[in-house]
Amino acid sequence: AQSVTQLDSHVSVSEGTPVLLRCNYSSSYSPSLFWYVQHPNKGLQLLLKYTSAATLVKGINGFEAEFKKSETSFHLTKPSAHMSDAAEYFCVVTTNTGNQFYFGTGTSLTVIP
Amino acid sequence: EAGVAQSPRYKIIEKRQSVAFWCNPISGHATLYWYQQILGQGPKLLIQFQNNGVVDDSQLPKDRFSAERLKGVDSTLKIQPAKLEDSAVYLCASSLSFMRVGEAFFGQGTRLTVV
Repeated sequence: AQSVTQLDSHVSVSEGTPVLLRCNYSSSYSPSLFWYVQHPNKGLQLLLKYTSAATLVKGINGFEAEFKKSETSFHLTKPSAHMSDAAEYFCVVTTNTGNQFYFGTGTSLTVIP
Repeated sequence: EAGVAQSPRYKIIEKRQSVAFWCNPISGHATLYWYQQILGQGPKLLIQFQNNGVVDDSQLPKDRFSAERLKGVDSTLKIQPAKLEDSAVYLCASSLSFMRVGEAFFGQGTRLTVV
């Protein structure tokens, strides 16, 4: 069975400080993992994906994530938060055939000016 | 390129009424997904189409939900009759093929409120 656990439902950071959104996964095979972002009243947008290539994945808007098999983690980071980063973030794992998403419950990121 | 189009954006209905949502995927995308996102939760897959065939509908409450993609392009999702617990955002997504699900593109969703 596949699942992801997002360890924080809400994260608040000050503008210009680092962002860390935590995700642990459970999978019986080598997973593909993704981070999506959802801004208010907008559709889900792919931030980055890991598909068994480089373990450090760079995405859009300065975000990156590191796949750590030993820790079953795929945490999302950004060196310096921007006001426009305030949104809901979802960690996602796929099935071994890559045709279904399993979404985490989401982490709401607040950026304080 | 044009994104995934959904309509309506918002819908309020009374319980036991019927409602339908429409989705037009990105041109050329063979795979289409409908997700249900209840407030405070991550999206849950309801049904997945590959062209006009159903790939997975295991989580679709078939006693009240139905979906079709007759010509392999746009799709409709229907609820009949609606229950209070159906209040959610219904998201449509599309991708080039089901083996490239990581590159799915999502519409803005339809927010359904059942009162």
